[in-house]
Amino acid sequence: GAVVSQHPSWVICKSGTSVKIECRSLDFQATTMFWYRQFPKQSLMLMATSNEGSKATYEQGVEKDKFLINHASLTLSTLTVTSAHPEDSSFYICSASPSGGGELFFGEGSRLTVL
Amino acid sequence: GENVEQHPSTLSVQEGDSAVIKCTYSDSASNYFPWYKQELGKRPQLIIDIRSNVGEKKDQRIAVTLNKTAKHFSLHITETQPEDSAVYFCAASILGGGGADGLTFGKGTHLIIQP
Repeated sequence: GAVVSQHPSWVICKSGTSVKIECRSLDFQATTMFWYRQFPKQSLMLMATSNEGSKATYEQGVEKDKFLINHASLTLSTLTVTSAHPEDSSFYICSASPSGGGELFFGEGSRLTVL
Repeated sequence: GENVEQHPSTLSVQEGDSAVIKCTYSDSASNYFPWYKQELGKRPQLIIDIRSNVGEKKDQRIAVTLNKTAKHFSLHITETQPEDSAVYFCAASILGGGGADGLTFGKGTHLIIQP
């Protein structure tokens, strides 16, 4: 199957700092990537849809100024958690589909802990 | 938007028995229904999916059924094995129009296989 890679796999930061997470499609181009957040023992919640060359589409309740998304190329989307606080601690996972539809492949996920 | 309900939240079965997990969805336009298996701290892995033009799909010990009229779909695992223990998520989305759509996930089912 297609490969989606995410980096870093885990990060610990101090409250108030910003953290950038990268999502790369290694063997295919993705005009659209999706960012999810998963709290412990909970389901995956779609945060935003990242569109190459245009603005991301955010789900209701997700602050676009706090979660900055940049999809500058067909193989890379980045999520920046700005001024992170302890309540932002979560597992962030990206996904993409090679064909623009059908099976979604997930990155390894990035576990963010804000102290 | 789409709403996906999943039951049960926890399911414990004896090794060798069958397990059934059920999901309902709200948006009649949804036409793609994947099932994911997630082990602790890891990314979700697609185990089977079904599109709305098919009523049933089987892959070895795993099968999925879809009832479009009732807007529900189910995952069936037969001859369960210890390695089937994990959290399973159903999801729904709309494919087509040349683009991918973000998945809406159910809350997950923690499947426990008792030896």
